[in-house]
Amino acid sequence: NAGVTQTPKFQVLKTGQSMTLQCAQDMNHNSMYWYRQDPGMGLRLIYYSASEGTTDKGEVPNGYNVSRLNKREFSLRLESAAPSQTSVYFCASSEGTGGSQPQHFGDGTRLSIL
Amino acid sequence: QKEVEQNSGPLSVPEGAIASLNCTYSDRGSQSFFWYRQYSGKSPELIMFIYSNGDKEDGRFTAQLNKASQYVSLLIRDSQPSDSATYLCAVNRGSGGYQKVTFGIGTKLQVIP
Repeated sequence: NAGVTQTPKFQVLKTGQSMTLQCAQDMNHNSMYWYRQDPGMGLRLIYYSASEGTTDKGEVPNGYNVSRLNKREFSLRLESAAPSQTSVYFCASSEGTGGSQPQHFGDGTRLSIL
Repeated sequence: QKEVEQNSGPLSVPEGAIASLNCTYSDRGSQSFFWYRQYSGKSPELIMFIYSNGDKEDGRFTAQLNKASQYVSLLIRDSQPSDSATYLCAVNRGSGGYQKVTFGIGTKLQVIP
């Protein structure tokens, strides 16, 4: 049982480049999330998808876009990467459509923007 | 005031002692409370969740919730060096529709052999 799978695990980009972070879950969960984690800042929600076909902004959405491709997959796109987006990105999923259910996290993507 | 507050630590305890990790939250409408453990360089993993006032025990872990005081804690009995990690408190805020979860910055726990 893979749980939540994120690709890639590491990535180095130059300022202005674009890339898409991929996330897939095999737990038949309804809700999926993208977070970034920075030292001293904790986990901050970028975007979430409460259910298939819906996406909404979280706390720090600027500079990002998302796509809920199907129930399993939720991707995060950086259109024009900036050094401020250097961070560790986590995808998570939960069973319910609300926030009352525990979240299950992927292993993370460590992204550096030069 | 931060929505979810934790002391970043580090909290150092000797092996075999009880570690007490604390978290306060600002929204009185919060419904669900979670504790995650995160080892260095790894992803958060769920340790406990609690919805009702009082204590909830699972093995060496006890979560305590006091909604009147807006306080949730995690006790780790018989602490082991393998418990050394950062512990994240997460709170589900608001009511109706989607209820966003807010994470604290985490408390780093060091268990000294």
